[in-house]
Amino acid sequence: ETGVTQSPTHLIKTRGQQVTLRCSSQSGHNTVSWYQQALGQGPQFIFQYYREEENGRGNFPPRFSGLQFPNYSSELNVNALELDDSALYLCASSLDRSNEKLFFGSGTQLSVL
Amino acid sequence: DQQVKQNSPSLSVQEGRISILNCDYTNSMFDYFLWYKKYPAEGPTFLISISSIKDKNEDGRFTVFLNKSAKHLSLHIVPSQPGDSAVYFCAASRIAGGTSYGKLTFGQGTILTVHP
Repeated sequence: ETGVTQSPTHLIKTRGQQVTLRCSSQSGHNTVSWYQQALGQGPQFIFQYYREEENGRGNFPPRFSGLQFPNYSSELNVNALELDDSALYLCASSLDRSNEKLFFGSGTQLSVL
Repeated sequence: DQQVKQNSPSLSVQEGRISILNCDYTNSMFDYFLWYKKYPAEGPTFLISISSIKDKNEDGRFTVFLNKSAKHLSLHIVPSQPGDSAVYFCAASRIAGGTSYGKLTFGQGTILTVHP
């Protein structure tokens, strides 16, 4: 059974740039959620994708967008990067959208300079 | 607005003793609660959960207690082991109504250190 994998593990960008983070969900899971974890804080919900459609969104601006593909892998895109976007971005998959038990990847550490 | 709070940033315990991690929430609509454990350079790992219809759930050395009237939950680890040293997050969700699936609200985390 393959777990949740994220790429890249680390990324450095400058303010104003755009970034794409990738996530492969655990085998058999059709739902992917993205979380942002700032230093010293708990993860914050960005959005969830279920069967290629957005199925809920947290308090993040529209420059945070996502995609889910037919194989249930997912991308998180952030436009017009700001310094405060520096954080660990976690992807989590679940068996379906009604399941609260999330399986997390190791995350992508994004630094915005 | 911090709806889920873990007021102790860190906890230090001797091996073999009990570890008690606490969590408070403010949103009375939360009806499902989870604990996750996180090692450095790894993603959070699910530990144990509890529905609001229960006040206790056990899984081996881990027990979660829920006090709905106080909006408080706690995680007990007995006996504590050095391998339990990690950051522990409590998280809450609202399942009733079916609109909040997968949206977990996390606390800030508590760093547990278990000394040999």
